[in-house]
Amino acid sequence: QKEVEQDPGPLSVPEGAIVSLNCTYSNSAFQYFMWYRQYSRKGPELLMYTYSSGNKEDGRFTAQVDKSSKYISLFIRDSQPSDSATYLCAMSADNQGGKLIFGQGTELSVKP
Amino acid sequence: EADIYQTPRYLVIGTGKKITLECSQTMGHDKMYWYQQDPGMELHLIHYSYGVNSTEKGDLSSESTVSRIRTEHFPLTLESARPSHTSQYLCASSDRQGRYEQYFGPGTRLTVT
Repeated sequence: QKEVEQDPGPLSVPEGAIVSLNCTYSNSAFQYFMWYRQYSRKGPELLMYTYSSGNKEDGRFTAQVDKSSKYISLFIRDSQPSDSATYLCAMSADNQGGKLIFGQGTELSVKP
Repeated sequence: EADIYQTPRYLVIGTGKKITLECSQTMGHDKMYWYQQDPGMELHLIHYSYGVNSTEKGDLSSESTVSRIRTEHFPLTLESARPSHTSQYLCASSDRQGRYEQYFGPGTRLTVT
């Protein structure tokens, strides 16, 4: 069983829609939760991170972590065509020396 | 934008050739990583380094080797390329306290024919 599971998509939504991206995990030691965005032919870039449980908001993006359910989400409000990319969740624990465990990514397409 | 560079961006090479993928960062980061990424699959860590003269194998077995002679440079070498090595290779770095933020290069797309 994979440590991190992510819905692979692809996901296609109209411009302005609310997008929900999700990951589940099995390792209860994970404390650092991240979302990376990867445009075609580019490397991933950090979009948001959350330590432990809770919510974090940055503009149109909201990251949620529910450690009791081992479930994390990324919400995108008022989605734009420029949001079209692959979104990767990633997680880390204190005893892993900074190594990240990634989900397989969800490809998102926002249609104008 | 992160100051981490990878060359070449694209490489098509025949079976049996020796290749070196270059990765350099100008941020002075101690930690560097190599990942392999295939379409629809998660990034797999194949090598990492916590500093000069420190290299470790990652979670995914790989026939490649790495070296870390200088802080800014972390090349990956395949002694004899095979079609099974065809993939996207991503290099990343993070600072000593970086538990979460890894900065990625643009990747090298390798095709072995």
